[in-house]
Amino acid sequence: GAVVSQHPSWVICKSGTSVKIECRSLDFQATTMFWYRQFPKQSLMLMATSNEGSKATYEQGVEKDKFLINHASLTLSTLTVTSAHPEDSSFYICSASGTGGLYGYTFGSGTRLTVV
Amino acid sequence: QKEVEQNSGPLSVPEGAIASLNCTYSDRGSQSFFWYRQYSGKSPELIMSIYSNGDKEDGRFTAQLNKASQYVSLLIRDSQPSDSATYLCAVKKAAGNKLTFGGGTRVLVKP
Repeated sequence: GAVVSQHPSWVICKSGTSVKIECRSLDFQATTMFWYRQFPKQSLMLMATSNEGSKATYEQGVEKDKFLINHASLTLSTLTVTSAHPEDSSFYICSASGTGGLYGYTFGSGTRLTVV
Repeated sequence: QKEVEQNSGPLSVPEGAIASLNCTYSDRGSQSFFWYRQYSGKSPELIMSIYSNGDKEDGRFTAQLNKASQYVSLLIRDSQPSDSATYLCAVKKAAGNKLTFGGGTRVLVKP
């Protein structure tokens, strides 16, 4: 089955620093990757959609200069939270899909970010 | 009106009973529908996908889709305490490739 690996599982960083989260599709080519964030007891909020080799498309209200997304290959996408602040503390989850929706929408295991 | 709506629950179900979850969506042209299960602190895991009207069964789970009424449901038969989780309904619209999620229904299965 389709497997998506996400690292790190959790990270604690100081306010003002940047954090990079990796999302890899292990056994299929992910033409599209999605990045979500989830606050406690809330549903998933889509932040951006990235297609391999193209600039990411950000949802309304998401700061593209703060949340940098790179999808340089068919198996790897990264989300960098720049100049992190405590309000950026959240659960970040990636999801990957193959061409035409192949392999469905498989989620990574998520990254718990805490900014202190 | 939210694009995808679910009752937030909690839906309390005795062990062994059937849990029935509902989801309605607003985009009539939506094509693909997914049910995910999410345990607290974990990422969502796919339970079932459904694309055509009618029922689709997979083990103890049955998804039901009615495009005319714009709803999709999930039945969990012989509910187990391990089924206690939040169930997310997700819909792929006719245009684009992203999923829109409902707020989730929390299910509690009591022994």
